[in-house]
Amino acid sequence: NAGVTQTPKFRVLKTGQSMTLLCAQDMNHEYMYWYRQDPGMGLRLIHYSVGEGTTAKGEVPDGYNVSRLKKQNFLLGLESAAPSQTSVYFCASSSAGAGFYGYTFGSGTRLTVV
Amino acid sequence: SQQGEEDPQALSIQEGENATMNCSYKTSINNLQWYRQNSGRGLVHLILIRSNEREKHSGRLRVTLDTSKKSSSLLITASRAADTASYFCATDRTNDYKLSFGAGTTVTVRA
Repeated sequence: NAGVTQTPKFRVLKTGQSMTLLCAQDMNHEYMYWYRQDPGMGLRLIHYSVGEGTTAKGEVPDGYNVSRLKKQNFLLGLESAAPSQTSVYFCASSSAGAGFYGYTFGSGTRLTVV
Repeated sequence: SQQGEEDPQALSIQEGENATMNCSYKTSINNLQWYRQNSGRGLVHLILIRSNEREKHSGRLRVTLDTSKKSSSLLITASRAADTASYFCATDRTNDYKLSFGAGTTVTVRA
């Protein structure tokens, strides 16, 4: 099925540990995004990419790094996890230009940092 | 910072009734979108309305946009239990495809 796939779906980390979240899309979308969702705050943009090999900071980039080595994949890394990074993380992708009709979201990764 | 704010925060209606929720935003936009999120799931795109449009329909959904008031409304007609979800508005401010999301309206449809 076409769409956005996120792995893992759940993860528990200890403070200071590192991890990488993987996002893969098979729609040939140019743009990809990482958001975090916290209760009562909607979604906030962490980082995004406008094409293979590019990345840019969003609204809340501190403590995260990203890479987009292949067009279909967008990785989100936490170098040293903190309890404040406990959240649900969503990846999304979109086309651009005249073909832009909105985002396709993955099903999310629920991360708990203890 | 959040660009859009939905109102009300929560809404409970009887099956068959209409549900209306509003979104206000702060700065000029290129387009505004509405998304649905079922509990524990990702967001699903519902409808996009461009800044030069005033109303749009999709099935039981009706979206209006008033750029002079910087506001939008989403109407769900003849609600069903399956419409129980959170609904988010999102704005594309600068045509760079970075969406800013509001905190959402939680809709509960009672059987």
